Amino acid sequence: SAVISQKPSRDICQRGTSLTIQCQVDSQVTMMFWYRQQPGQSLTLIATANQGSEATYESGFVIDKFPISRPNLTFSTLTVSNMSPEDSSIYLCSVRPAGYNEQFFGPGTRLTVL
Amino acid sequence: GNSVTQMEGPVTLSEEAFLTINCTYTATGYPSLFWYVQYPGEGLQLLLKATKADDKGSNKGFEATYRKETTSFHLEKGSVQVSDSAVYFCALSDGNFNKFYFGSGTKLNVKP
Repeated sequence: SAVISQKPSRDICQRGTSLTIQCQVDSQVTMMFWYRQQPGQSLTLIATANQGSEATYESGFVIDKFPISRPNLTFSTLTVSNMSPEDSSIYLCSVRPAGYNEQFFGPGTRLTVL
Repeated sequence: GNSVTQMEGPVTLSEEAFLTINCTYTATGYPSLFWYVQYPGEGLQLLLKATKADDKGSNKGFEATYRKETTSFHLEKGSVQVSDSAVYFCALSDGNFNKFYFGSGTKLNVKP
């Protein structure tokens, strides 16, 4: 399996600022995923992050708004840029370790934008 | 395309009642099916899974059977507890397990 930690666990930010969320995994994984969960909603995939290559973004999400770094096989960051209240959500990272067919999720970062 | 449809919640039950949460899917190829649970303030945890038709996934008293003929993966538990109160997500993944499609989630409230 995989144990995933995220920092920060929650934050309250002002409109127009940016927040970088960190995701750390206890084992090396090829693919990491970033999801957004808006209040009371399901999960929406933002992007897939492979080590050593550009992240692949889903329709409706762009790199300028959600830049992602993946410097090694155990770590990734997601930045939420130029935030607005509509960005208030839970942001989750997940991984699918080799040999597993399920994804393992971090505890999430609860973001509130005022 | 791939999609998952879950019954809308919230579902409110008394302790020891029988639980069914319906999940149907649309998929190309041969997907794998999953149930995840999200307790308040936490991330998602895998509850159970099934990777091929007629497989039954089970865990913590919960069960779900992969029914290809009805494209369904309904979650059941014979006797729910207050501690089962959470949001339950049905999901499917495509053949390479890199893309997951989640249902809208069903909130379960169990009253003592």
